[in-house]
Amino acid sequence: DAGVIQSPRHEVTEMGQEVTLRCKPISGHDYLFWYRQTMMRGLELLIYFNNNVPIDDSGMPEDRFSAKMPNASFSTLKIQPSEPRDSAVYFCASSLNRASHLGGYTFGSGTRLTVV
Amino acid sequence: TQLLEQSPQFLSIQEGENLTVYCNSSSVFSSLQWYRQEPGEGPVLLVTVVTGGEVKKLKRLTFQFGDARKDSSLHITAAQPGDTGLYLCAAENNAGNMLTFGGGTRLMVKP
Repeated sequence: DAGVIQSPRHEVTEMGQEVTLRCKPISGHDYLFWYRQTMMRGLELLIYFNNNVPIDDSGMPEDRFSAKMPNASFSTLKIQPSEPRDSAVYFCASSLNRASHLGGYTFGSGTRLTVV
Repeated sequence: TQLLEQSPQFLSIQEGENLTVYCNSSSVFSSLQWYRQEPGEGPVLLVTVVTGGEVKKLKRLTFQFGDARKDSSLHITAAQPGDTGLYLCAAENNAGNMLTFGGGTRLMVKP
Protein backbone atom coordinates (compact mmCIF):
# COMPACT_ATOMS: atom_id res chain seq x y z
CA ASP A 1 0.00 0.00 0.00
CA ALA A 2 1.24 3.52 -0.78
CA GLY A 3 0.17 4.80 2.63
CA VAL A 4 -2.04 7.79 3.30
CA ILE A 5 -1.90 10.15 0.34
CA GLN A 6 -2.57 13.85 0.68
CA SER A 7 -2.75 16.55 -1.94
CA PRO A 8 -1.60 19.13 -2.57
CA ARG A 9 1.68 19.12 -0.58
CA HIS A 10 1.78 22.90 -0.57
CA GLU A 11 -0.96 25.47 -1.08
CA VAL A 12 -0.60 29.24 -1.12
CA THR A 13 -3.80 31.19 -1.44
CA GLU A 14 -5.14 34.67 -0.87
CA MET A 15 -7.37 35.52 2.03
CA GLY A 16 -11.01 34.94 1.18
CA GLN A 17 -10.38 32.17 -1.32
CA GLU A 18 -11.73 28.65 -0.98
CA VAL A 19 -9.21 25.91 -0.21
CA THR A 20 -9.80 22.18 -0.60
CA LEU A 21 -7.45 19.61 0.87
CA ARG A 22 -7.65 15.98 -0.20
CA CYS A 23 -6.87 12.65 1.41
CA LYS A 24 -6.83 9.02 0.36
CA PRO A 25 -6.62 6.71 3.40
CA ILE A 26 -5.10 3.25 3.54
CA SER A 27 -7.43 0.68 2.07
CA GLY A 28 -9.27 -1.23 4.78
CA HIS A 29 -8.82 1.36 7.50
CA ASP A 30 -12.12 2.19 9.21
CA TYR A 31 -11.14 5.52 10.72
CA LEU A 32 -10.01 8.75 9.10
CA PHE A 33 -8.76 11.78 11.01
CA TRP A 34 -7.99 15.37 10.05
CA TYR A 35 -5.40 17.16 12.21
CA ARG A 36 -3.94 20.64 12.08
CA GLN A 37 -0.40 21.34 13.30
CA THR A 38 1.07 24.70 14.28
CA MET A 39 4.07 25.64 16.38
CA MET A 40 1.86 27.33 18.94
CA ARG A 41 -0.86 24.70 19.35
CA GLY A 42 0.80 21.46 18.24
CA LEU A 43 -1.35 18.73 16.70
CA GLU A 44 -5.05 19.42 17.03
CA LEU A 45 -7.79 16.99 16.00
CA LEU A 46 -10.31 18.71 13.77
CA ILE A 47 -12.71 15.89 12.86
CA TYR A 48 -12.78 12.14 12.47
CA PHE A 49 -14.85 9.66 10.50
CA ASN A 50 -15.74 6.03 11.15
CA ASN A 51 -16.85 4.05 8.11
CA ASN A 52 -17.29 7.33 6.19
CA VAL A 53 -19.58 8.84 8.84
CA PRO A 54 -18.45 11.97 10.75
CA ILE A 55 -18.29 11.05 14.44
CA ASP A 56 -16.77 14.04 16.21
CA ASP A 57 -16.30 17.46 14.63
CA SER A 58 -15.91 19.38 17.88
CA GLY A 59 -12.39 20.38 16.89
CA MET A 60 -13.46 22.19 13.74
CA PRO A 61 -12.61 25.84 14.44
CA GLU A 62 -15.71 27.42 12.95
CA ASP A 63 -18.27 27.22 10.19
CA ARG A 64 -15.69 28.15 7.59
CA PHE A 65 -14.35 24.60 7.92
CA SER A 66 -16.15 21.58 6.52
CA ALA A 67 -15.15 17.97 5.85
CA LYS A 68 -16.66 15.20 3.81
CA MET A 69 -15.98 11.54 3.19
CA PRO A 70 -18.11 10.46 0.22
CA ASN A 71 -16.59 6.98 0.13
CA ALA A 72 -14.04 4.80 1.91
CA SER A 73 -11.15 5.95 -0.25
CA PHE A 74 -11.53 9.72 -0.29
CA SER A 75 -12.01 12.65 2.06
CA THR A 76 -11.83 16.42 1.70
CA LEU A 77 -11.33 19.28 4.12
CA LYS A 78 -12.59 22.60 2.83
CA ILE A 79 -12.00 26.10 4.16
CA GLN A 80 -14.24 28.83 2.80
CA PRO A 81 -13.37 31.67 3.07
CA SER A 82 -9.76 31.18 4.12
CA GLU A 83 -8.02 33.53 6.56
CA PRO A 84 -4.32 34.07 7.38
CA ARG A 85 -4.78 32.41 10.80
CA ASP A 86 -5.68 29.18 8.98
CA SER A 87 -2.06 28.87 7.87
CA ALA A 88 -0.78 25.55 9.21
CA VAL A 89 0.13 22.03 8.18
CA TYR A 90 -2.96 19.86 7.79
CA PHE A 91 -2.57 16.13 8.26
CA CYS A 92 -4.83 13.29 7.37
CA ALA A 93 -4.42 9.97 9.20
CA SER A 94 -6.16 6.63 9.07
CA SER A 95 -6.33 3.63 11.39
CA LEU A 96 -7.94 0.28 11.97
CA ASN A 97 -10.54 -0.09 14.69
CA ARG A 98 -8.52 0.50 17.82
CA ALA A 99 -5.55 2.83 17.60
CA SER A 100 -3.77 1.27 20.53
CA HIS A 101 -3.73 -2.36 19.55
CA LEU A 102 -3.72 -2.32 15.81
CA GLY A 103 -0.73 -0.27 14.78
CA GLY A 104 -1.73 3.24 15.71
CA TYR A 105 -2.36 5.95 13.19
CA THR A 106 -0.75 6.21 9.77
CA PHE A 107 -0.28 9.82 8.79
CA GLY A 108 0.03 11.35 5.38
CA SER A 109 2.82 13.78 4.57
CA GLY A 110 0.56 16.75 5.16
CA THR A 111 -0.52 19.84 3.24
CA ARG A 112 1.29 23.04 4.15
CA LEU A 113 -1.27 25.82 3.76
CA THR A 114 -0.27 29.46 3.61
CA VAL A 115 -2.99 32.09 3.43
CA VAL A 116 -1.69 35.55 2.53
CA THR B 1 -10.01 15.46 27.65
CA GLN B 2 -6.64 14.05 28.67
CA LEU B 3 -3.90 16.66 28.83
CA LEU B 4 -0.44 15.35 27.99
CA GLU B 5 2.57 17.36 29.10
CA GLN B 6 5.87 16.63 27.41
CA SER B 7 9.25 17.76 28.66
CA PRO B 8 11.58 19.18 27.73
CA GLN B 9 10.08 21.11 24.84
CA PHE B 10 13.47 21.48 23.15
CA LEU B 11 16.68 19.52 23.49
CA SER B 12 19.95 20.02 21.66
CA ILE B 13 22.75 17.52 22.30
CA GLN B 14 25.94 16.21 20.76
CA GLU B 15 26.17 12.92 18.94
CA GLY B 16 26.88 10.07 21.35
CA GLU B 17 25.09 11.56 24.35
CA ASN B 18 22.18 9.91 26.13
CA LEU B 19 18.84 11.61 26.72
CA THR B 20 15.43 11.06 28.26
CA VAL B 21 12.16 12.76 27.38
CA TYR B 22 8.99 12.58 29.41
CA CYS B 23 5.24 12.46 28.91
CA ASN B 24 3.00 13.10 31.92
CA SER B 25 -0.67 13.42 32.74
CA SER B 26 -2.95 13.51 35.76
CA SER B 27 -5.16 10.97 34.00
CA VAL B 28 -4.73 7.22 33.75
CA PHE B 29 -4.09 5.96 30.24
CA SER B 30 -5.38 2.71 28.82
CA SER B 31 -2.41 2.83 26.47
CA LEU B 32 0.13 5.28 25.15
CA GLN B 33 1.96 5.68 21.89
CA TRP B 34 5.17 7.41 20.86
CA TYR B 35 5.65 8.92 17.42
CA ARG B 36 8.57 10.58 15.70
CA GLN B 37 8.05 13.31 13.14
CA GLU B 38 10.74 14.47 10.74
CA PRO B 39 10.62 17.83 8.95
CA GLY B 40 8.14 17.87 6.10
CA GLU B 41 6.58 14.56 7.03
CA GLY B 42 3.79 13.21 9.20
CA PRO B 43 4.35 11.49 12.55
CA VAL B 44 5.41 7.85 12.39
CA LEU B 45 4.51 5.37 15.10
CA LEU B 46 7.45 4.09 17.13
CA VAL B 47 5.79 2.02 19.84
CA THR B 48 2.60 1.33 21.79
CA VAL B 49 2.73 0.57 25.52
CA VAL B 50 -0.27 -0.92 27.26
CA THR B 51 0.69 -2.47 30.59
CA GLY B 52 1.75 -0.45 33.65
CA GLY B 53 5.49 -0.85 34.21
CA GLU B 54 6.02 -2.10 30.67
CA VAL B 55 9.41 -1.53 29.06
CA LYS B 56 9.93 -1.82 25.32
CA LYS B 57 13.18 -1.49 23.42
CA LEU B 58 13.63 -0.46 19.82
CA LYS B 59 17.36 -0.59 19.06
CA ARG B 60 18.80 2.38 20.99
CA LEU B 61 15.37 3.61 22.12
CA THR B 62 13.86 2.43 25.42
CA PHE B 63 10.24 3.21 26.23
CA GLN B 64 8.80 2.88 29.70
CA PHE B 65 5.18 3.08 30.85
CA GLY B 66 4.69 4.16 34.46
CA ASP B 67 3.33 1.68 36.97
CA ALA B 68 0.22 3.84 37.46
CA ARG B 69 -0.15 4.34 33.71
CA LYS B 70 -0.07 8.13 34.07
CA ASP B 71 3.35 8.76 32.61
CA SER B 72 5.87 7.49 30.14
CA SER B 73 9.47 8.10 29.18
CA LEU B 74 11.64 7.64 26.14
CA HIS B 75 15.36 7.12 26.61
CA ILE B 76 17.80 7.27 23.71
CA THR B 77 21.27 5.84 24.13
CA ALA B 78 24.20 7.19 22.13
CA ALA B 79 22.09 9.61 20.10
CA GLN B 80 22.84 10.02 16.41
CA PRO B 81 22.02 12.87 14.01
CA GLY B 82 19.40 10.61 12.46
CA ASP B 83 17.47 10.74 15.73
CA THR B 84 16.76 14.42 15.14
CA GLY B 85 13.05 15.15 15.02
CA LEU B 86 9.90 15.89 16.98
CA TYR B 87 8.94 13.19 19.47
CA LEU B 88 5.25 13.03 20.32
CA CYS B 89 3.39 10.99 22.87
CA ALA B 90 -0.28 10.24 22.37
CA ALA B 91 -2.98 8.66 24.52
CA GLU B 92 -6.25 7.18 23.43
CA ASN B 93 -9.66 8.10 24.79
CA ASN B 94 -11.73 5.61 26.77
CA ALA B 95 -13.51 4.40 23.64
CA GLY B 96 -10.14 3.61 22.10
CA ASN B 97 -10.80 5.32 18.80
CA MET B 98 -9.25 8.75 19.17
CA LEU B 99 -5.75 9.92 20.09
CA THR B 100 -4.77 13.13 21.85
CA PHE B 101 -1.20 14.26 21.30
CA GLY B 102 1.20 15.97 23.63
CA GLY B 103 3.01 19.13 22.59
CA GLY B 104 6.15 17.20 21.66
CA THR B 105 9.87 17.35 22.37
CA ARG B 106 11.95 18.78 19.56
CA LEU B 107 15.32 16.99 19.55
CA MET B 108 18.40 18.07 17.65
CA VAL B 109 21.47 15.86 17.64
CA LYS B 110 24.59 17.62 16.39
CA PRO B 111 27.38 15.66 14.72
